[in-house]
Amino acid sequence: AQKITQTQPGMFVQEKEAVTLDCTYDTSDQSYGLFWYKQPSSGEMIFLIYQGSYDEQNATEGRYSLNFQKARKSANLVISASQLGDSAMYFCAMREGGGGGFKTIFGAGTRLFVKA
Amino acid sequence: GAVVSQHPSRVICKSGTSVKIECRSLDFQATTMFWYRQFPKQSLMLMATSNEGSKATYEQGVEKDKFLINHASLTLSTLTVTSAHPEDSSFYICSAQTGGDHPYQPQHFGDGTRLSIL
Repeated sequence: AQKITQTQPGMFVQEKEAVTLDCTYDTSDQSYGLFWYKQPSSGEMIFLIYQGSYDEQNATEGRYSLNFQKARKSANLVISASQLGDSAMYFCAMREGGGGGFKTIFGAGTRLFVKA
Repeated sequence: GAVVSQHPSRVICKSGTSVKIECRSLDFQATTMFWYRQFPKQSLMLMATSNEGSKATYEQGVEKDKFLINHASLTLSTLTVTSAHPEDSSFYICSAQTGGDHPYQPQHFGDGTRLSIL
């Protein structure tokens, strides 16, 4: 079964508008971390934002915010005021697994296209 | 911030060659590093967890003898693709985590190595 599900292979957004990238996860752990990374065409992985399983408030980092709904096991990324430079691949990831060492696993990704 | 350096960024070599990729944590010590493989237009697949001073832990389906991992110091892990063949061509990317083994810190990634085997 998929541990991290990103249902949107591709998304288009108009410049300056907000966009939500969906992510749902599956874990039986109580302690886990949720992350979003951006991967431009050059390939590097850029950390954007993090949410801990015990955090009650949604994380925010500049134009990025994470809409964390624990009961629904969702961790959607919201990008406000989209910019052309936001066009990239976005990966949702989860870090879990204490007993045998924590591992980070990634969703399939969503490619975001920002239109001028 | 935490910086991870990966070298080389691109390798093109003949079939049968062994290729070594280095992953260094520049401004922090990393007892654990991770190696991922990414096929075009796909997600990152965890290959192995590299532990300083001990054997690496490989994910199911990853050949230990094909992908040799050495983590000899707190700042360096190496991945050697032995006797590489065209099917080993891929984007390999390493990561490291600051702090201890817990889920509350992001991993910091190198810039990746694009390996092409002719």
